[in-house]
Parts: sequence; C-alpha cells; structure tokens
Amino acid sequence: QKEVEQDPGPLSVPEGAIVSLNCTYSNSAFQYFMWYRQYSRKGPELLMYTYSSGNKEDGRFTAQVDKSSKYISLFIRDSQPSDSATYLCALLKGITGGGNKLTFGTGTQLKVEL
Amino acid sequence: EPEVTQTPSHQVTQMGQEVILRCVPISNHLYFYWYRQILGQKVEFLVSFYNNEISEKSEIFDDQFSVERPDGSNFTLKIRSTKLEDSAMYFCASSDPTRMGDTQYFGPGTRLTVL
Repeated sequence: QKEVEQDPGPLSVPEGAIVSLNCTYSNSAFQYFMWYRQYSRKGPELLMYTYSSGNKEDGRFTAQVDKSSKYISLFIRDSQPSDSATYLCALLKGITGGGNKLTFGTGTQLKVEL
Repeated sequence: EPEVTQTPSHQVTQMGQEVILRCVPISNHLYFYWYRQILGQKVEFLVSFYNNEISEKSEIFDDQFSVERPDGSNFTLKIRSTKLEDSAMYFCASSDPTRMGDTQYFGPGTRLTVL
C-alpha cells in the first residue's frame, strides 16, 4: 500500500464551483498535513497546513483532516480560473537527526473554466 | 517576503558529467532539503541537512549524490556522474524549526536535462 494516495485527475470545473480534493494515507506517524499548489514547471507553494482532526479555514480554502480514517481534504469555494494548478497533499513526519520529511501525493490537476 | 532561490533554472549536461545545483535558503532557516520531481511523477524526498550533517537520505540519494553548505548562505547538491534517469526538476526547500508545523518553503527548482 502506498503511503499517500491522491487521485491525479484531471479535474475540470466551472468558475464558481466548489472543488473537493482528497488524499488518503496509511502511516499513523504523520504529524502535519499540508496542501501545496504547483503551477507547471514551478516549485510547490504552501497553501495550508493542519495537524489535528477537524477543519481549518483560510479565505476560500478549507483543509479537513480525519485521522481516524486517514483521510485529508482540501475544499476550494467559489473557484476561480487562477486556481487552475496542480494541488499536492504532503504529509510531514519528523526525522531523528533533525528536521522533517515530506511525503507527497501524486497531485491533482485542477482546471477552472470560465 | 523572503524566498528560497535556486540557480541555474535549467541545466543541460552530458551523461557522466558532474553537475552542481545551487540554492540559497531563507536566511533564518536551519533545516535544508532537496527533493526531485521526474516529469509527470510526484515530488520525492532526497535528503535533509541540519547542523552541517545529513540527517536523513532516501534510497535515491546514493553515492553519486552529495550535499554541502559551503558558506553561510548557499546549499548545494552535487551529482558526480550524471545518468539519463537523473533528468528531473530538483527543488531545494528550507524550514524554520521554531515555527509551528516546521513548514518547508520550496524554491522554483532547477530543471536538469541529461543527454
């Protein structure tokens, strides 16, 4: 079983739609749950992170974690064409020698159409 | 807002040649990382570096790879003898352990093409 699984899409929605992006994971050692956005041939850009089960909201974005089901979601309200990108879930766990290691999902490619 | 920078943006090299990819992490960060992304695949962890030592490396990070922090600002990834399969985007990241979540901030990447 892969450590992190994410539906690669592509996902195409009309402007203004609510978008739901999801990942499942298998390792209970993950401590923090991140969402990154990546435009083509660019570096991942951090959107949000959370560490506990429940919801965290930031503007049009809501991150949701269910640790009991090992399931994380990102919701985008009132989606805009500028939201078109690849969305990566990334799970973080500590490294004994110092620092943390991110394990990424494959990314979901989102296109918001006018 | 401070950001991670990487040079060059694109490096083309012949198989068997050595390449050095350079990164300038965010200035007050203490942990440094390299990740790579082969075209169409997911971002993969290569190595983490703290206190002038490797703290963890993946199985991808074999003897052909090395990292160094030669001065107070730069962080480099060296590939000693490049292979075709090393062609990928290489991302540097850094993090501040005093911040909750110790979130990692990524640079724009270096696209490495091995011919």
